[in-house]
Amino acid sequence: KNQVEQSPQSLIILEGKNCTLQCNYTVSPFSNLRWYKQDTGRGPVSLTIMTFSENTKSNGRYTATLDADTKQSSLHITASQLSDSASYICVVSAKGSNYQLIWGAGTKLIIKP
Amino acid sequence: DTAVSQTPKYLVTQMGNDKSIKCEQNLGHDTMYWYKQDSKKFLKIMFSYNNKELIINETVPNRFSPKSPDKAHLNLHINSLELGDSAVYFCASSYGDREKNIQYFGAGTRLSVL
Repeated sequence: KNQVEQSPQSLIILEGKNCTLQCNYTVSPFSNLRWYKQDTGRGPVSLTIMTFSENTKSNGRYTATLDADTKQSSLHITASQLSDSASYICVVSAKGSNYQLIWGAGTKLIIKP
Repeated sequence: DTAVSQTPKYLVTQMGNDKSIKCEQNLGHDTMYWYKQDSKKFLKIMFSYNNKELIINETVPNRFSPKSPDKAHLNLHINSLELGDSAVYFCASSYGDREKNIQYFGAGTRLSVL
C-alpha cells in the first residue's frame, strides 16, 4: 500500500535554531517527492520537488534531501524564523494513475522567540 | 491578485442539506482539483479536471458532484450532507507536465455539518 509517514508529529524549537524533519515512504513506482508548507488556515505551498536522480534541493533556508534507495527524505530548516511556524508535509508522486500525490500527515513546527 | 480562490471560507450547515463550494483560478492553469483534508490532516484527492474533462474520480460518495463550467472554474456540490463530511476542502490548480507540475492551492473551505 502506498504510504507516506513523517516524524516527528510535532516539534518546538527556539528562533534561530536549525531543525530536520523526516519522511519515509513506501510508494511504488516512484516518480518524485515534494515538500509543502501549510500555514494555519491556509492551503499548502510548494517548497521543493525532487526526482529519483536528485538527492538534494534547496529553497532559501530550506534544504531537502532524498535517498531513493532507502526511501527516505528529510527537510532541513536553517536559522529558523517565527514565520517558519507551520505544518510541513511530505508528498510522493507515484507513476501511473495520473501521477496522483500521496500525502503525509505533516510535521507541525512551532518556532518560539 | 493571481490566485486560486474558493468560497465560502466557512460553511456551517445541518445534516441532510445540499451545499456548494465554488473555486476559481486566474493563473491560466488547465487542471483543477478538489481535495479533502480530514481531522488527521491527510489530504486526499477527490476529483481532478483537465480542460473541463474529468481525469481523476476517487472513491467518494456519489453525493459529491464536481462541475467544471470552464477551465478556470471547478465547483463542488454536495447532496444530503452527513456528519462525516465535516472537513476542510481545498481546491487546487496546476499547469503542464502531469508528472512534475506544481499544484497551487486555495485557502480552503471549512465545512461543519451539525
